[in-house]
Amino acid sequence: DVKVTQSSRYLVKRTGEKVFLECVQDMDHENMFWYRQDPGLGLRLIYFSYDVKMKEKGDIPEGYSVSREKKERFSLILESASTNQTSMYLCASSHRGNQPQHFGDGTRLSIL
Amino acid sequence: AQSVSQHNHHVILSEAASLELGCNYSYGGTVNLFWYVQYPGQHLQLLLKYFSGDPLVKGIKGFEAEFIKSKFSFNLRKPSVQWSDTAEYFCAVGKWDTGTASKLTFGTGTRLQVTL
Repeated sequence: DVKVTQSSRYLVKRTGEKVFLECVQDMDHENMFWYRQDPGLGLRLIYFSYDVKMKEKGDIPEGYSVSREKKERFSLILESASTNQTSMYLCASSHRGNQPQHFGDGTRLSIL
Repeated sequence: AQSVSQHNHHVILSEAASLELGCNYSYGGTVNLFWYVQYPGQHLQLLLKYFSGDPLVKGIKGFEAEFIKSKFSFNLRKPSVQWSDTAEYFCAVGKWDTGTASKLTFGTGTRLQVTL
């Protein structure tokens, strides 16, 4: 069974901090994704990656960056955290092309 | 940009009632369609998907969905809901892409509450 593991379930940080969210998948998937989930807004794509060191902006990339140095790991970075980045962050992975995405449990991030 | 609309934000049903959740999308090209479910405290799971072929798709736990191309719709149905179906349901649409990654656009979700 596919396993997508996010490093933390809950995280509390302060405004201005640099925040790292980590995601690891164990199915050799080429594609990895970061979303944020907010009530009433559904899931919105922040960034995705289709190969090591490759990345593309999603719908809401402002204030975020990503890193993919190894195939199994995809990191989301909040360069200078702000309160409006308080949200649930979901990582997903999939095989190349149009295959279904598999999701992690999410990280609930609070920025104080 | 494509968009996905789920018009029902919160649905309350009694056990054994029939369910239909609406999903409409705006993209005019070839699409892949998905329904995901998120049970309380759990991660999103795939319920069913449509890529091509028979427009009536059957998924897990007795769910099915029908793709109606002329209406840009992919509605989710279940003849008789159970209390354990209480969850949030998300429709997602991806543009057909033979290349790299298929980006998905998600609807805002429908919260289903099933009462005993």
